[in-house]
Amino acid sequence: QVQLVESGGGLVKPGGSLRLSCAASGFTFSNYYMSWIRQAPGKGLEWVSYISSTSSSMYYADSVKGRFTISRDNAKNSLYLQMNSLRAEDTAVYYCARHQGTQNFDYWGQGTLVTVSS
Amino acid sequence: DIQMTQSPSTLSASVGDRVTITCRASQDIITWLAWYQQKPGKAPKLLIYEASSLEGGVPSRFSGSGSGTEFTLTISSLQPDDFATYYCQQYNSYSLTFGGGTKVEIK
Repeated sequence: QVQLVESGGGLVKPGGSLRLSCAASGFTFSNYYMSWIRQAPGKGLEWVSYISSTSSSMYYADSVKGRFTISRDNAKNSLYLQMNSLRAEDTAVYYCARHQGTQNFDYWGQGTLVTVSS
Repeated sequence: DIQMTQSPSTLSASVGDRVTITCRASQDIITWLAWYQQKPGKAPKLLIYEASSLEGGVPSRFSGSGSGTEFTLTISSLQPDDFATYYCQQYNSYSLTFGGGTKVEIK
């Protein structure tokens, strides 16, 4: 069965960096676009970034452009999000999600919490 | 970016009620719209894609309709498991956006 397992979250100071990982299993990872989506505590969902199956295209929300970098390693069935220059407003649960075929999401991980605080 | 506006933000209903949630897009998104259900502490679950296609395994009491800028999610007979928050999401543009959510509460 499809599984997505995020890791790498934690507490980081403003201006700091963190790298999130998402381990995928149960499907042919290299065939699918993947996204990161976040949810601040008590708030709604915000799409962060997505990457094409071959890493040829990446897109970012304006709120993270220039600070976050999405990448993937198809040989390791893994998705990554490098987050630099973190701000308090980046505090959220970060989910990785598989694109169904277009740009909606049919499978989600359980999420990893990132807290940016001094 | 395309803005997605959901209404109402909160809805109180009873088991067995017919429930309708509306999602409006700030520009034409054709039928590139999905609906998700989220329960507290859990990841969202896909219910509907391309505005009206039911995801596999989702009960038939859920249905979606609409095109262009106005869309609806209908639950024909609300069940205890349906009390949750629902989000719409547009995918007509490279910048993907979600609605603010509709919390369905027990009346």
